[in-house]
Amino acid sequence: NAGVTQTPKFQVLKTGQSMTLQCAQDMNHEYMSWYRQDPGMGLRLIHYSVGAGITDQGEVPNGYNVSRSTTEDFPLRLLSAAPSQTSVYFCASRKEGGRYTGELFFGEGSRLTVL
Amino acid sequence: AQKITQTQPGMFVQEKEAVTLDCTYDTSDPSYGLFWYKQPSSGEMIFLIYQGSYDQQNATEGRYSLNFQKARKSANLVISASQLGDSAMYFCAMRGSSYKLIFGSGTRLLVRP
Repeated sequence: NAGVTQTPKFQVLKTGQSMTLQCAQDMNHEYMSWYRQDPGMGLRLIHYSVGAGITDQGEVPNGYNVSRSTTEDFPLRLLSAAPSQTSVYFCASRKEGGRYTGELFFGEGSRLTVL
Repeated sequence: AQKITQTQPGMFVQEKEAVTLDCTYDTSDPSYGLFWYKQPSSGEMIFLIYQGSYDQQNATEGRYSLNFQKARKSANLVISASQLGDSAMYFCAMRGSSYKLIFGSGTRLLVRP
């Protein structure tokens, strides 16, 4: 079972470079989201999507773009990387509907360093 | 707006003893869900337990239980009979009427042999 797959797992960028973190899930989940995790800060929500063609901002959206053209994929784009974006990024998905059980399924994380 | 607060940056517990990790929350939504996740040093996020705001009983999952006090807006995680493998970061999270799941800053638990 693939679950939620993130690529790459590690990336080093120079300030000003752009890149895309890929996220794919094979569970037919409607909801997908991106978090960043910094030491002592917990996980902070960047962007989320409740279905193909629908995205919305989370707690810390600045500097990041997302799109959701298919149910399976939810890429996160950094248009001009900054050292403040050095972090570990997690993609997560869940099935919608029913009760608020809403357990999130996480990818393994992508460690990004911006020099 | 939703807010999750975990006031214990770090905790120690002796192996085989019980430990309580604190979590308080704030929301104006009448219906919401509370979650606990575990993050071992390997980095993956592991779902532990869920409590719905209208659930009459406190949630339990094996050695994990959630002490839900709605009036005090607290959702503490209780781990009974701690094991060395319980050493990890623990995050409390909440979802209200929006789709967003918001996390607290976490508590690092260290189990001593």
